[in-house]
Amino acid sequence: AQSVTQLDSHVSVSEGTPVLLRCNYSSSYSPSLFWYVQHPNKGLQLLLKYTSAATLVKGINGFEAEFKKSETSFHLTKPSAHMSDAAEYFCVVSRYPGRRALTFGSGTRLQVQP
Amino acid sequence: GAGVSQSPRYKVTKRGQDVALRCDPISGHVSLYWYRQALGQGPEFLTYFNYEAQQDKSGLPNDRFSAERPEGSISTLTIQRTEQRDSAMYRCASSPDGNSNQPQHFGDGTRLSIL
Repeated sequence: AQSVTQLDSHVSVSEGTPVLLRCNYSSSYSPSLFWYVQHPNKGLQLLLKYTSAATLVKGINGFEAEFKKSETSFHLTKPSAHMSDAAEYFCVVSRYPGRRALTFGSGTRLQVQP
Repeated sequence: GAGVSQSPRYKVTKRGQDVALRCDPISGHVSLYWYRQALGQGPEFLTYFNYEAQQDKSGLPNDRFSAERPEGSISTLTIQRTEQRDSAMYRCASSPDGNSNQPQHFGDGTRLSIL
């Protein structure tokens, strides 16, 4: 069964410094991987997705993630944090073919200090 | 264009009552998904539809939970004889088709509180 592990429940950075949110996955098949962001009292918004076309994936708002099969990782990064980046981030895996359901990690809360 | 719409946004009800949560997906989206999100956790899959057919209901926790999508568009998630443990955010998502590498677009959710 597919699963994801988000290694940090909370990350705090200063505005203007790099962001690293860590995610490891487990999947019997070549997975589809996603990062979603959830702002308070809002729905989940897709940041980026990996579907085997390229290992470095660029998303919205300056975020990117690199798929590393040898490390079974899909870490999310951003060169320079902005106050508006403060939110909950979820690493998500979907197995193909098979179940269409998404499996979410437990989330990482990103705090951005002024 | 309109996104996924869920109603009501908030629902407070007494234990033992039945509740019905509605999801209106993005127009033309074939697949519709229901998730439940407990406080401080990521969403957990409940069930999904392609058109009107319920393809997977393995995530429904027990037989008090059911869902339907009779015309392949709007869906209703029904919880009968609610219990306090049913309190959570219920999220609906839709995608253009059933391909699992298609992103799912989420609504803002219905926060259900059982007293």
